[in-house]
Amino acid sequence: ETGVTQSPTHLIKTRGQQVTLRCSSQSGHNTVSWYQQALGQGPQFIFQYYREEENGRGNFPPRFSGLQFPNYSSELNVNALELDDSALYLCASSSRTGGAGANVLTFGAGSRLTVL
Amino acid sequence: DAKTTQPNSMESNEEEPVHLPCNHSTISGTDYIHWYRQLPSQGPEYVIHGLTSNVNNRMASLAIAEDRKSSTLILHRATLRDAAVYYCIPPGAGGSYIPTFGRGTSLIVHP
Repeated sequence: ETGVTQSPTHLIKTRGQQVTLRCSSQSGHNTVSWYQQALGQGPQFIFQYYREEENGRGNFPPRFSGLQFPNYSSELNVNALELDDSALYLCASSSRTGGAGANVLTFGAGSRLTVL
Repeated sequence: DAKTTQPNSMESNEEEPVHLPCNHSTISGTDYIHWYRQLPSQGPEYVIHGLTSNVNNRMASLAIAEDRKSSTLILHRATLRDAAVYYCIPPGAGGSYIPTFGRGTSLIVHP
């Protein structure tokens, strides 16, 4: 089975620009979660998508938005980039079976965003 | 939401067992405990999860206290490749599994 793939792996943007990050979920998974990880910190939950609808959101402003497509892949969009948006953005897929508490996340390697 | 407490860092020598503790005193009776680890320059990877009884897999063992207020991840023989940040994760609120990561425990393995 294929794992979670993210693109691009690295990118550099300037303040005020917009960025789109992409994620292909693992085969058989129907849920995608996005996390932001600043240097030296644990991943912070941004939002989760299930069946193409947002299913939970962390403490992030509306300029962070997302989409999930019928094939369960997903995009993370960030508008009006700020310097503090520089981070590793992680995508994780999972499958809603066996009860919510037993679901296991499969992470991609992340997209490293630098905002200058 | 259940909260967890882990030591910031731990050290071990190669080939020795490592016991990584986690306190989750506010966990509910139906919450699984999950452990993930993050190797340098990689995304987190699943290690193990359990509900009430001890669990074993090829990567590690998970010992869950009888009162479920704490758990211990056991690496039976640490290798240099086990050097990583280990996260003990409670599930999210309302049955919607949205894992919340803390800062985890940074494991240093000495050759």
